[in-house]
Amino acid sequence: GAVVSQHPSRVICKSGTSVKIECRSLDFQATTMFWYRQFPKQSLMLMATSNEGSKATYEQGVEKDKFLINHASLTLSTLTVTSAHPEDSSFYICSARQGERSEQYFGPGTRLTVT
Amino acid sequence: DQQVKQNSPSLSVQEGRISILNCDYTNSMFDYFLWYKKYPAEGPTFLISISSIKDKNEDGRFTVFLNKSAKHLSLHIVPSQPGDSAVYFCAASVKYQGAQKLVFGQGTRLTINP
Repeated sequence: GAVVSQHPSRVICKSGTSVKIECRSLDFQATTMFWYRQFPKQSLMLMATSNEGSKATYEQGVEKDKFLINHASLTLSTLTVTSAHPEDSSFYICSARQGERSEQYFGPGTRLTVT
Repeated sequence: DQQVKQNSPSLSVQEGRISILNCDYTNSMFDYFLWYKKYPAEGPTFLISISSIKDKNEDGRFTVFLNKSAKHLSLHIVPSQPGDSAVYFCAASVKYQGAQKLVFGQGTRLTINP
């Protein structure tokens, strides 16, 4: 149980375009989903927390207009990187939590490359 | 301000021996601690957790110890197997402005040698 999927696993886009990444909880309802970013050989940095049906809460330093998060249902959250630039190239990982449990279950990640 | 620290970037252990991964934290408001295992280009996989009111939790080959007075936790893997080679992240859970968040350490790369 507790499987989280992400799509796409890898995407290459041109500078200035937008990219949407989907995160789905496959076998449980995720009241809260999280979006992280990982730079090479570094830790996971939390970008934002989203609760189903409400606006996402962004961490300090994360531009909400650039990283649009939508959590429309209990099994789906999307992250849209708008007007992507090469410095947005990174590994983006989502996680999902069921109820008030502390464990978060992570998706496999999406490698974004902006050329 | 690194609230969760894994001071050893890498660790090499012989197959069959014990692997001990360490983690230190500074925030006394952390109420839950978790260990995740991560392979390259994959998401982290949950391994084991411990509540701040406990000092030990065991699950098969994995045991996590928590020393609250020292703000230190460790993950013991015994016996170590080649498939345990991965990056291990320590994470701490805290409620901030009504929302629960995980704060991750930098990770320790564990290599199990045959």
